[in-house]
Amino acid sequence: EPEVTQTPSHQVTQMGQEVILRCVPISNHLYFYWYRQILGQKVEFLVSFYNNEISEKSEIFDDQFSVERPDGSNFTLKIRSTKLEDSAMYFCGNDDGVSGNTIYFGEGSWLTVV
Amino acid sequence: AQKVTQAQTEISVVEKEDVTLDCVYETRDTTYYLFWYKQPPSGELVFLIRRNSFDEQNEISGRYSWNFQKSTSSFNFTITASQVVDSAVYFCALSGTYSSASKIIFGSGTRLSIRP
Repeated sequence: EPEVTQTPSHQVTQMGQEVILRCVPISNHLYFYWYRQILGQKVEFLVSFYNNEISEKSEIFDDQFSVERPDGSNFTLKIRSTKLEDSAMYFCGNDDGVSGNTIYFGEGSWLTVV
Repeated sequence: AQKVTQAQTEISVVEKEDVTLDCVYETRDTTYYLFWYKQPPSGELVFLIRRNSFDEQNEISGRYSWNFQKSTSSFNFTITASQVVDSAVYFCALSGTYSSASKIIFGSGTRLSIRP
């Protein structure tokens, strides 16, 4: 199975701090996604991204969140002014645009806000 | 609106038993994809299978099999001769369109525990 690489695997941050989660996509997979999973709950869609712009975002993805491909390869999720309720596992997903919406996910970044 | 329902929150069986995980979906789209993902205790999401809405053939992969029935909007997953390593949370998911860059929507998951 193709591999998406996420860093960090785990980050602890103080409430109000900014966090950047990073994702190295699969080569030639141009569709990007971020999902989150609060502990013990379902996996929730945050945002999809293609051709350097957001394709779709959920109601969770408010002004606190932003995504970009700063160097044309890595894909990042920035969370400004973190809140306790932002504590969750964040999954980066990647889709090649060919094999029909099959999203391959990284191992996740576990964010703990204290 | 699209929705995926996994009514079984937790299932526990003894090793070597067969187990079926249920999945029921709702969508207004005429074309769509269905998926199963596995989340082992280590936490990653592992893709298992994709099925498009035009293909109702059952699929078998080793001890895994999937039964897609459009008439009942179900996409059930059966593990035959279960093993302890099958213990994980299993998510059924739905994509609303036939094109890429479309989000998939996950069910709430079924936690499967295989006892030795």
